[in-house]
Amino acid sequence: DAGVIQSPRHEVTEMGQEVTLRCKPISGHDYLFWYRQTMMRGLELLIYFNNNVPIDDSGMPEDRFSAKMPNASFSTLKIQPSEPRDSAVYFCASRRDLGFGGSYEQFFGPGTRLTVL
Amino acid sequence: QQQVKQSPQSLIVQKGGISIINCAYENTAFDYFPWYQQFPGKGPALLIAIRPDVSEKKEGRFTISFNKSAKQFSLHIMDSQPGDSATYFCAADKAAGNKLTFGGGTRVLVKP
Repeated sequence: DAGVIQSPRHEVTEMGQEVTLRCKPISGHDYLFWYRQTMMRGLELLIYFNNNVPIDDSGMPEDRFSAKMPNASFSTLKIQPSEPRDSAVYFCASRRDLGFGGSYEQFFGPGTRLTVL
Repeated sequence: QQQVKQSPQSLIVQKGGISIINCAYENTAFDYFPWYQQFPGKGPALLIAIRPDVSEKKEGRFTISFNKSAKQFSLHIMDSQPGDSATYFCAADKAAGNKLTFGGGTRVLVKP
């Protein structure tokens, strides 16, 4: 399995532009998560999906952020309009249950490093 | 509110030494405590995890110690190797939960 796939790996854009980050989860995983990582705030959960349905988007910082999961193999995180403070590494992760007592493993993608100028 | 506090922020250890990273949590509903390892330019990867029904779990050179009454857990890396140089994150989640709360991370450097 190729693992969680994210694209692009790097994105540089100017303030005000629309940014779309893409994720392909591991086949068979029914949970998908979007995280943001910064030096100041660490790893933050933005939103997660279960069976393609958004379950909790309480971590989405503003209405400028939106996420979709049109099918089990694809998700997008969109920022419109982008701002310099959105600069961060964005990770997508999918999850498989480990089969004992509710334990699970989240597999993270390699991340998209976003720079908004 | 930072629900999982991790310390130290950084750690330097000699090859062969022991690295110790500590985490404390506030939410008594947390029931699952994984540790993730992250190398530069990569996403975090699950290293080892524990549930509160045991006080210790060991996998190779990595050991989690868990103290439920103190609401603390720690990662010990025995015989640290330069290849262990990475950032380590503790995390916590509720039983049947779906939201990992991560600590702030500890950057470990193992000197040869």
